[in-house]
Formats: sequence, C-alpha cells, structure tokens
Amino acid sequence: RKEVEQDPGPFNVPEGATVAFNCTYSNSASQSFFWYRQDCRKEPKLLMSVYSSGNEDGRFTAQLNRASQYISLLIRDSKLSDSATYLCVVNIGGGYQKVTFGTGTKLQVIP
Amino acid sequence: DTGVSQNPRHKITKRGQNVTFRCDPISEHNRLYWYRQTLGQGPEFLTYFQNEAQLEKSRLLSDRFSAERPKGSFSTLEIQRTEQGDSAMYLCASSLGQGGEKLFFGSGTQLSVL
Repeated sequence: RKEVEQDPGPFNVPEGATVAFNCTYSNSASQSFFWYRQDCRKEPKLLMSVYSSGNEDGRFTAQLNRASQYISLLIRDSKLSDSATYLCVVNIGGGYQKVTFGTGTKLQVIP
Repeated sequence: DTGVSQNPRHKITKRGQNVTFRCDPISEHNRLYWYRQTLGQGPEFLTYFQNEAQLEKSRLLSDRFSAERPKGSFSTLEIQRTEQGDSAMYLCASSLGQGGEKLFFGSGTQLSVL
C-alpha cells in the first residue's frame, strides 16, 4: 500500500461548482498534513495546512479524519484559475522528517 | 530574490556521464530536501538534511546518487553514470524546521539523459 494515495483524476468541473478531493495515508503516526498546489511545469506551492479541527481559507476547506486516516480538500465556487494539480502531503514528524507527497489530483475547471 | 534557487534549470547529458545540481535554500532555513518528479507523478522523496547532517535517504536512491550540504547552507546532488531512467525534474525544498514542515520549493532542474 502506498504511503499517501490520491485519485489522480482528472476532475473536470464547471465554473462555480463545488469539488472535493480525498487523500488517504497509511502511517497512523503521521503528525502533520498539507495540501499543495502545482501548476503545469511549475514547482509545488503550499496551499494550506490541515488541522485536526478542520480549517478554512476563503473558498478552500481542509479536514482531517485521523480515525479513518484521510484528509480532504473542498473547493467552493470553482474558478478557472483553480485548474491545477492538488498534492496531498503527509509528515510523520518527530525525529523522522520524511515529507511524503501523493501523486496528485488534477482539477480542470471548465468555462 | 530570497526564495529557493536551483541551478541549472535544464541539463541534457549523455548516458554514462556524471551530473551535479546545486540548490541554495532560503537563508534562515535549516532543513533541506531533495525530491524527484516525473510526469504525472507526485514528488518522490530522495533525501533530507538538517543543517549539514544528512538524516534520511530514500531506499529507492541507488549508490549512483549522492548529496551533500557541507556548510549547512547550499546543497549539491550528484548522479554518477547517468541512465535514461534518471530523466526527471529534480526539486529542492527548504523549511524552517519548527514543526509542520511547510516546504518552499525551487523551480527545479529538468534532467534529460539521452
């Protein structure tokens, strides 16, 4: 089983739609979680951290479910500029700082 | 520009040659990571430094790969006897190392092995 798994998509959604991505992780000792965004042929950039209580940043909401070992990202009112690949990132933390990326979920927002 | 800097941006080499890439992290960041990414895949962890100490190295990394961070500032990644399968984007990232591991990436070095 992969350490971090994501549906690669692509998710094709119309402008204004709400879309959600899930990501599962295998190591129950994982301590910190993130969503990164990667545009075509560009480096990944941090989108948001994911906290146990859930967190929101504008149109983006991230949630963590430790019992089921998954995190989610919800995008409301999708914009054309949201088209990108969304990478789920998990860090075990402690003395072991291997920050592991999922394969990414591709989102295409259609006019 | 105070971001993460990688050089060169592109490298084309013949199979069997050695190549070396450089990464200059954000100056106050003490953690530095190397990743490799191929088309359609997420970044694959290669190795990680805390200051000058290399603390973790992927089991996927063959003996042909070596990385250094001699003074805890810039880092180099060397690939010896390159193979066509080494063709990929090599990404460097740095972080403050204060927990949470928010990584800041450079633009990467695109390696093509002919």
